[in-house]
Amino acid sequence: KQEVTQIPAALSVPEGENLVLNCSFTDSAIYNLQWFRQDPGKGLTSLLLIQSSQREQTSGRLNASLDKSSGRSTLYIAASQPGDSATYLCAVEYGNKLVFGAGTILRVKS
Amino acid sequence: DTAVSQTPKYLVTQMGNDKSIKCEQNLGHDTMYWYKQDSKKFLKIMFSYNNKELIINETVPNRFSPKSPDKAHLNLHINSLELGDSAVYFCASSRQTSYEQYFGPGTRLTVT
Repeated sequence: KQEVTQIPAALSVPEGENLVLNCSFTDSAIYNLQWFRQDPGKGLTSLLLIQSSQREQTSGRLNASLDKSSGRSTLYIAASQPGDSATYLCAVEYGNKLVFGAGTILRVKS
Repeated sequence: DTAVSQTPKYLVTQMGNDKSIKCEQNLGHDTMYWYKQDSKKFLKIMFSYNNKELIINETVPNRFSPKSPDKAHLNLHINSLELGDSAVYFCASSRQTSYEQYFGPGTRLTVT
């Protein structure tokens, strides 16, 4: 069964701190892995997509890594800001469909 | 310009009614999707269409019928609505399968 797990479920940090969100998946036969951000009552915003052949992707203060063999991905956020507060979702693509984790709720305190 | 749009944004209706949600993308993508986000915020794929052809149907009840009149539109029709259908429904699109997916703002359906 293809399952995606995200740890922690919630995280609260002071502004300026670097942080890591974790994602693990049970089936390593993935096409790609995508990290999304969801603000309350809003849709999903794509942050980073890592193809199965890649090890990491970077965009601004965000860095996502992928270790397919161990079934893990991390999202690193540098110098966190209050505007980063949102739910972060990890999604793994298997044969035309995305399987989502339950998300990590991030709160950055000013 | 909105890339993936959905209408309506909110939909409140009674059990047993039939309703439709519309989705349109102006990105020129070939693949479109419907996802359901339940009360626990868990997102799950329902359907996927590629070039107007159904490629994924994730054991969704027959009361749900997607329709793709053209590559830019994927509508979701729901018959005989039940309380358990209350959720937020998201439409998404991608250039092809296995490419980055772009999501619409969601439609919050409440069945009373």
